[in-house]
Parts: sequence; structure tokens; C-alpha cells
Amino acid sequence: QSVLAQPPSASGTPGQRVSISCSGSSSNIGTYTVNWFQQLPGTAPKLLIYSNNQRPSGVPDRFSGSKSGTSASLAISGLQSEDEADYYCAAWDDSLNGHVVFGGGTKLTVL
Amino acid sequence: QVQLQESGPGLVEPSQTLSLTCTVSGGSISSGDYYWNWIRQPPGKGLEWIGYIYFSGTTYYNPSLKSRVTISVDTSKSQFSLNLYSVTATDTGVFYCARGNGYGRIDYWGQGTLVTVSS
Repeated sequence: QSVLAQPPSASGTPGQRVSISCSGSSSNIGTYTVNWFQQLPGTAPKLLIYSNNQRPSGVPDRFSGSKSGTSASLAISGLQSEDEADYYCAAWDDSLNGHVVFGGGTKLTVL
Repeated sequence: QVQLQESGPGLVEPSQTLSLTCTVSGGSISSGDYYWNWIRQPPGKGLEWIGYIYFSGTTYYNPSLKSRVTISVDTSKSQFSLNLYSVTATDTGVFYCARGNGYGRIDYWGQGTLVTVSS
């Protein structure tokens, strides 16, 4: 059971817009910024969004992030086949002396 | 460009200690801006943060693993290491070393190394 809750799966057709949610609590998302990672099959995760809504250099602006209260969302617009991957949210949690927590991951399928 | 590379045995016997080393290149492990993480991923499952170390030696661990984990750093070799004690089959997975800012913003990852716990 992950500290941050994500739907196990999501899907969309090419060109569509999809959102993936990440739900936490006051000890993590409610206080700290959220980061999102994309993991393509057989590869290491890649930082996709940091500080709730910032994109690292090289990440297309089709990817966007937002946060409200104790929840966050990753949105992908203009869905492409190469977006099919697992997506994880992560944040700092200040309980139990502090630690990083991940969501359980969402597998995105492009139909 | 910062690069991280994990190294260590791919097979560990149950009850033994899993030991991995991460070598950092292209950037200084002594930079005060970063924390050096270990993260694992069981086969077919999600990511689990194990812990991280600051260049000074300060560590933070996942509470669920804290009693079995030690992370250390050797700045002279630009390396940091993971020891996971008393392993069982449930510790099998891909282990990643990575650079982060201490709050979950993890921007550089190693390629990962598969460690299997089996006799």
C-alpha cells in the first residue's frame, strides 16, 4: 500500500488529453512539492515534472502538472503512442523523521 | 552530464547482505546541492525509495527498511554504497542509484542493476 495513491491504469487514444491523479496527505503533498516520473518499459525512470508544475529541459510542453491541497495531477495533452509508459508521483513526507514517498504508479495505455 | 553506475553482485543468498556501489561521474558527489539516493523496484511492481545520503554523511532512510539498511559515502572515490542486511526473496528487484535534491526531485538515475535473492 503506497503512501501516495494513484490509479493503477489509465488509457487514451492518440491526440486525446489524459490526466493521472496522485492523492496524499498533509504530511506530504499538502506541505511539499510533487514530482512526476515517466518509466518506459525496461528503462530507468525519468524526471518529467518537478516542483508541482515545472518541466526539466527537453520535456515537451504536452506534459503539465498541478497541485491542489493534498492532491496532484499530471496531464498529458496530444497523446502519442510513445507516451505509453508507467508514471509515478513522489514527494517528501515529514512523518517518522522524514522520507521520500512514491505513488504506486499508473500504467498508461495508448489505444 | 552527470552519470551514475551501479555495481555489485547480481545474486545474493537469503539471510546474507546485499551490497551495491554507485559511482558518480560528470559531477561532484561533494556538491552541497544534492542527495544521493537508492531506490528499488521489485519485478513488475512500483518504485520504493530506500534512502539517501548527503556528502557529509547525513542519512535518511525509508522507515520500513531502516532497521536493515546502511548507506555510506566515499567522496574520495566519488562513490556511495548500499548495504541491505538479512535479505529474503522479497528483496529481489532492480536497484537504482540516483541524484536528488532531498525532496523527491530526482533528476539523474543510474541504469539499474537486477539483484536476485536466491539460494
